[in-house]
Amino acid sequence: GENVEQHPSTLSVQEGDSAVIKCTYSDSASNYFPWYKQELGKRPQLIIDIRSNVGEKKDQRIAVTLNKTAKHFSLHITETQPEDSAVYFCAAPKGGSGGSNYKLTFGKGTLLTVNP
Amino acid sequence: NAGVTQTPKFQVLKTGQSMTLQCAQDMNHNSMYWYRQDPGMGLRLIYYSASEGTTDKGEVPNGYNVSRLNKREFSLRLESAAPSQTSVYFCASKEGFGELFFGEGSRLTVL
Repeated sequence: GENVEQHPSTLSVQEGDSAVIKCTYSDSASNYFPWYKQELGKRPQLIIDIRSNVGEKKDQRIAVTLNKTAKHFSLHITETQPEDSAVYFCAAPKGGSGGSNYKLTFGKGTLLTVNP
Repeated sequence: NAGVTQTPKFQVLKTGQSMTLQCAQDMNHNSMYWYRQDPGMGLRLIYYSASEGTTDKGEVPNGYNVSRLNKREFSLRLESAAPSQTSVYFCASKEGFGELFFGEGSRLTVL
């Protein structure tokens, strides 16, 4: 099955700095890579995703890059703000045929703290 | 629009007791999931239902059973609760490659 490794487990930055979180996956057939943000005590919510036919996607201050050859994808947050403080999870679907999209495997999460 | 609704939000059980977590979605999604979240472990898939009438095991199915009651509802049952099942449980649903929508979570403590 899919194995997703996420680093770092914790990240502390100063407000205005950039933050980068990286994930690696094992199944070369995986073709969809979402990122979820979970604020303290809340549910995880999708913030950005990328499909395997593109190498980068941006949405205002956040971006995701994908390197299919190396099997890794990264979340980039620029001009960080205190409200970006949360746990971020990457995920990848189990690859292969037969409805493989149905299951998402999550990384263990990165606790991002943005210090004012 | 309620999205994904799960009940109860909090529950305390004694070892050996049973209980059912209920989940319903109003987005007409085919796929539904149960995850558990433990500190430092991320979100681990317990069971999922790709469509009405089907259920399959995820990464950590031992000690749990599920029922896909209809397209809207997907329940998770603990037949004999153990302290290792103390966790926050999230129900989720999606359609194809679309966004995975989570419920608010159910915090379960097993004494």
